[in-house]
Amino acid sequence: NAGVTQTPKFQVLKTGQSMTLQCAQDMNHNSMYWYRQDPGMGLRLIYYSASEGTTDKGEVPNGYNVSRLNKREFSLRLESAAPSQTSVYFCASKEQNNQPQHFGDGTRLSIL
Amino acid sequence: QKEVEQNSGPLSVPEGAIASLNCTYSDRVSQSFFWYRQYSGKSPELIMSIYSNGDKEDGRFTAQLNKASQYVSLLIRDSQPSDSATYLCAVRTTSGSRLTFGEGTQLTVNP
Repeated sequence: NAGVTQTPKFQVLKTGQSMTLQCAQDMNHNSMYWYRQDPGMGLRLIYYSASEGTTDKGEVPNGYNVSRLNKREFSLRLESAAPSQTSVYFCASKEQNNQPQHFGDGTRLSIL
Repeated sequence: QKEVEQNSGPLSVPEGAIASLNCTYSDRVSQSFFWYRQYSGKSPELIMSIYSNGDKEDGRFTAQLNKASQYVSLLIRDSQPSDSATYLCAVRTTSGSRLTFGEGTQLTVNP
């Protein structure tokens, strides 16, 4: 079982470059999430999609955009990367409200 | 006040001891509670879910929920060095499908 798959696993960008982080889940889950994790800050929600066709801002949405391409895929885009966006990014999904979220392996992003 | 707060770490216990991890939350009508374990450099993995007041046991792990006092705890019995990780408390509040995470408690089990 693949579960939640994130690509790429590592990426180094220069300030001002753009890139898209990909996330796909094969569990037929309705909801998908993007988090960032920084030392001492815990997991912070960037954007989420409660169901196919909807997206909503989380706690720290500035500088990011998302696309829920279909039920399986939820991408995160950095239009103009900044050093403050250096972080580990996790994608997660879940079936319905009371269920736990399942996480991908993460993308380690460094912006120089 | 933070929505979800965990006891500050790091927490160090000897092998074989009971490790106790605590979490409090501010939203009185929170419905679902989860404990995740995260090894260094890895992603969070679910270890316990609890939805009702009381205790829920799974192997060496016991989750305890007290909605009146707004806390949820995780007990790890017979702690092993392989339990050394950061433990994250997550709460589903009234905001629909979102979870709010605590900052985590780092646990070290010493052989």
